[in-house]
Amino acid sequence: EVQLVESGGGLVQPGGSLRLSCAASGFTFSSYSMNWVRQAPGKGLEWVSYISSSSSTIYYADSVKGRFTISRDNAKNSLYLQMNSLRAEDTAVYYCARDANPYCSGGSCYPTDFDYWGQGTLVTVSS
Amino acid sequence: AIQLTQSPSSLSASVGDRVTITCRASQGISSALAWYQQKPGKAPKLLIYDASSLESGVPSRFSGSGSGTDFTLTISSLQPEDFATYYCQQFNSYLPLTFGGGTKVEIK
Repeated sequence: EVQLVESGGGLVQPGGSLRLSCAASGFTFSSYSMNWVRQAPGKGLEWVSYISSSSSTIYYADSVKGRFTISRDNAKNSLYLQMNSLRAEDTAVYYCARDANPYCSGGSCYPTDFDYWGQGTLVTVSS
Repeated sequence: AIQLTQSPSSLSASVGDRVTITCRASQGISSALAWYQQKPGKAPKLLIYDASSLESGVPSRFSGSGSGTDFTLTISSLQPEDFATYYCQQFNSYLPLTFGGGTKVEIK
């Protein structure tokens, strides 16, 4: 059974840092691209970041570029999101999500649709 | 960024009703569109991918159609467990990947 379990959320002051983790099991983690998606309280879904299976390709939403860093450790079946310079508008539930189908074109790979999601971890940025 | 506009933003329907939700993209995305269902406090669940392909394990009362800029999610006969919020998502090679604003399906 595919499982994705996020951890690391919590309350942090504006300007602070937090590192989220996503532990994967039930599938060959090293074969799949992964993503972080967030959802502010009462709001819709926002894609945050993508990392290819080998970490060779990484993308970020403009809203987090330069502040967040996505990474993975295939030996530990784990995905990470290092979040620095946090702002109130980063308050959200953060989900890790598996890319369902690899899509590569012109030598670059891109995020697609997401077939498995974790339960989410809440990040609250407030003083 | 490609904008996805869902309509309606909410609707009230009865069990057994046929429900249609539309998603319009600000530019053509071929068939690179997915639909998700989200219940309160839960993660989204993939229903439809590639605009019209039913994800494994999803009931056949769900269907998707469209290509280019106009897409539709249809629930042929609404069931009690279908009351939820539905999101479309585009995954063309255009970044950022974006979601529609959501459609909340409520009990009439």
